[in-house]
Amino acid sequence: AQTVTQSQPEMSVQEAETVTLSCTYDTSESDYYLFWYKQPPSRQMILVIRQEAYKQQNATENRFSVNFQKAAKSFSLKISDSQLGDAAMYFCAYRKVANKLIFGTGTLLAVQP
Amino acid sequence: SQTIHQWPATLVQPVGSPLSLECTVEGTSNPNLYWYRQAAGRGLQLLFYSVGIGQISSEVPQNLSASRPQDRQFILSSKKLLLSDSGFYLCAWSRDSHTDTQYFGPGTRLTVL
Repeated sequence: AQTVTQSQPEMSVQEAETVTLSCTYDTSESDYYLFWYKQPPSRQMILVIRQEAYKQQNATENRFSVNFQKAAKSFSLKISDSQLGDAAMYFCAYRKVANKLIFGTGTLLAVQP
Repeated sequence: SQTIHQWPATLVQPVGSPLSLECTVEGTSNPNLYWYRQAAGRGLQLLFYSVGIGQISSEVPQNLSASRPQDRQFILSSKKLLLSDSGFYLCAWSRDSHTDTQYFGPGTRLTVL
């Protein structure tokens, strides 16, 4: 069965600095999708970034980028120029084609002013 | 643009009482719909998903049921709530089950006393 592991329950970063959140997953599939979702105190899940496994190029969305290492089954999220509004719980998620999302347990990110 | 609504936002119910949570999507047709539960400090667990009216798939045996009476309406129900049903319930939609991203509603916080 597929699993998603986030080994950092909590992280902290200074405002304007860069932070990297780790995620590893286990799968025997070659075609799948990976996501990072953000859950602020309002608790609504917000999509941050998405990566297709068949693409070698790392996805980027403004200050957010990923380091996708397919062979290592690693999918880390880098947040550059951290802002106070980035403080939230971040979930890594895996999805096999035509299948359900599997979430990690989350990393709580604090941003210090 | 598409929007997803959940009602109510917060609910406190006694053990043994019935439950009905509603999720509606606007701005799209024939979406795939999902119900997730998030226990305190945990990741998301998929409960049900639906690819069309009257088509419901259950992921986890439990005290809950789901129905899809209309194309863009998804309802989560229980005849008799248990204490363990407490949690944060999120509804999500996607355009198709193959490749598309899931987008989440604002959630319902359920407390069973």
